Amino acid sequence: QSALTQPASVSGSPGQSITISCTGTSSDVGNYNLVSWYQHHPGKAPKFLIYEGTKRPSGVSNRFSASKSGNTASLTISGLQPEDEADYYCCSYAGSRTYVFGSGTKVTVL
Amino acid sequence: EVQLVESGGGLVQPGGSLRLSCAASEFTFSSYEMIWVRQAPGEGLEWLSYINPSGTTIYYADSVRGRFSISRDNAKNSLHLQMNSLRVEDTAVYYCARENLGYSGSGTYAFDIWGQGTMVTVSS
Repeated sequence: QSALTQPASVSGSPGQSITISCTGTSSDVGNYNLVSWYQHHPGKAPKFLIYEGTKRPSGVSNRFSASKSGNTASLTISGLQPEDEADYYCCSYAGSRTYVFGSGTKVTVL
Repeated sequence: EVQLVESGGGLVQPGGSLRLSCAASEFTFSSYEMIWVRQAPGEGLEWLSYINPSGTTIYYADSVRGRFSISRDNAKNSLHLQMNSLRVEDTAVYYCARENLGYSGSGTYAFDIWGQGTMVTVSS
């Protein structure tokens, strides 16, 4: 149950696009189309962004999109805005109702 | 408003016990899978435990299996985490979260409602 690998930090200027990768193994990310993504501002409840790899729940901005290739999932934030500055986590189903989260990525808006 | 509110955190000595609770409101708690997740200081999120709607299926992360016990009381809309044999490395903010039901009403293996967390500090 090792954490999925994410870059520690990613930064971009307002209006730019950034992509956060999330690398797992053939036992989790590569085996299921069940990666989800969360935005977390410290001290607050994590916010649900993406489910089933690419689907956006109602109410989430279409500036957030996601994809997966092999053992790596990715989250793209387009039209970066100051309020996007936060920590971002991926999470993958790993079988038998167990889950593994990513190591987290701090997004900085320059 | 649909929400989850955790309680029960605090300071405990190594080897001690603590029971966390998660109160659910404004949704049919008994219909949802639930999990506990924690975040140690300066670290990322860590999945700890899962429980199905009836409480009959339970899973744990290796790091807490045998020490922590998840349970739920659907009549009281509450989720619990009994934590025994606590270690310094269990110091973290503990969150409960609800599994998202997709448009078809089936679980999506993702978590749409989270509490604000409760802090647990294990220290002598």
